[in-house]
Amino acid sequence: AQKVTQAQTEISVVEKEDVTLDCVYETRDTTYYLFWYKQPPSGELVFLIRRNSFDEQNEISGRYSWNFQKSTSSFNFTITASQVVDSAVYFCALSEEGDKIIFGKGTRLHILP
Amino acid sequence: DSGVTQTPKHLITATGQRVTLRCSPRSGDLSVYWYQQSLDQGLQFLIQYYNGEERAKGNILERFSAQQFPDLHSELNLSSLELGDSALYFCASSETGVLNTEAFFGQGTRLTVV
Repeated sequence: AQKVTQAQTEISVVEKEDVTLDCVYETRDTTYYLFWYKQPPSGELVFLIRRNSFDEQNEISGRYSWNFQKSTSSFNFTITASQVVDSAVYFCALSEEGDKIIFGKGTRLHILP
Repeated sequence: DSGVTQTPKHLITATGQRVTLRCSPRSGDLSVYWYQQSLDQGLQFLIQYYNGEERAKGNILERFSAQQFPDLHSELNLSSLELGDSALYFCASSETGVLNTEAFFGQGTRLTVV
């Protein structure tokens, strides 16, 4: 069965600090997809990234970067030089081939000015 | 703006009542997914429709039902409402019928059962 664990329930950092959100997943499939979504205070779910299981290359998009390590079943998300606007709940999610997207419980990130 | 439209944004109703939540997918998307977000259960997949047909089912209660119409909009019907049904209900859409494609979420309908 597929499972996503986000052990960090809530994190607070001061603006401009770097912060890493952890995500550990479980799956029996060799083909699967990993996602990160952001849920700002306004409530909508904003898609950030999708990565398939065959692509372990790390990705950087501006201040955001993702570290995918199959050996540890982790797909961690780092925000560099955090800003107050980054305050949100971040969800890691997993989808096996042709199956539903399963979300972790989310990490609430507070960026303090 | 994801292009997925959900109405209404907020809904307050009494226990035992029935409500209908509506979702219009992005233009060109054939697949619609419904999710429930509650404090204790997190984001739970409920059901998926693809081009009018039910494609996948998750943790959807028997009191809940959904359908997708020929114009591809979808409705989620919740009946015999209980206090525990209070949650944020999201609709998502994607181009294909495969759930692991990039799914665009609507802004959600916040349902409060009193």
